[in-house]
Amino acid sequence: GAVVSQHPSRVICKSGTSVKIECRSLDFQATTMFWYRQFPKQSLMLMATSNEGSKATYEQGVEKDKFLINHASLTLSTLTVTSAHPEDSSFYICSAIAGVVSYEQYFGPGTRLTVT
Amino acid sequence: GQSLEQPSEVTAVEGAIVQINCTYQTSGFYGLSWYQQHDGGAPTFLSYNALDGLEETGRFSSFLSRSDSYGYLLLQELQMKDSASYFCAVRSVYNQGGKLIFGQGTELSVKP
Repeated sequence: GAVVSQHPSRVICKSGTSVKIECRSLDFQATTMFWYRQFPKQSLMLMATSNEGSKATYEQGVEKDKFLINHASLTLSTLTVTSAHPEDSSFYICSAIAGVVSYEQYFGPGTRLTVT
Repeated sequence: GQSLEQPSEVTAVEGAIVQINCTYQTSGFYGLSWYQQHDGGAPTFLSYNALDGLEETGRFSSFLSRSDSYGYLLLQELQMKDSASYFCAVRSVYNQGGKLIFGQGTELSVKP
């Protein structure tokens, strides 16, 4: 199946700093990538939808200035958590689809962010 | 809006059959997907139903009834490795680019 990678897998940062998470589709071109956030024992909460070359579409309640998303190419999307706070500590997962009609999302392994 | 309901947890024994139900509310329903997630891991795709009926993939099957806004995932010949969280997710025709909305997940525990 298609492979999506994320980097880093784990990151610890101090309050007030920014952290960038990369999501790459390794063997296919991803027309659309999605960013999710997941707290322990909870569901995946969609944060934003990212299309290559255009601005991301954020879900209601997600601060676009805090969670900066860039989809610079068909294989790379980045999520930057700016001015991180302890409450931003979470598991961040990206996914990608190969086309608008594709129903299967390929998920990355996730990034565990801890803000101290 | 969109919402999905599924049981929070299910327990079964090895070799048994378990059914995880999912009811949904959405406008412009397009399809229902199922994903498996082990602790700390990435969700992996299990199945997708766009039309009524049963889809079978090995030990896993998924069913959809569009008129009842209901679906289920059936796991047969349960194995210990099937212990995981299972999510149903709905796709709406109005969701750009295939966006999925996930249910809260069902934690399946398989006992020896």
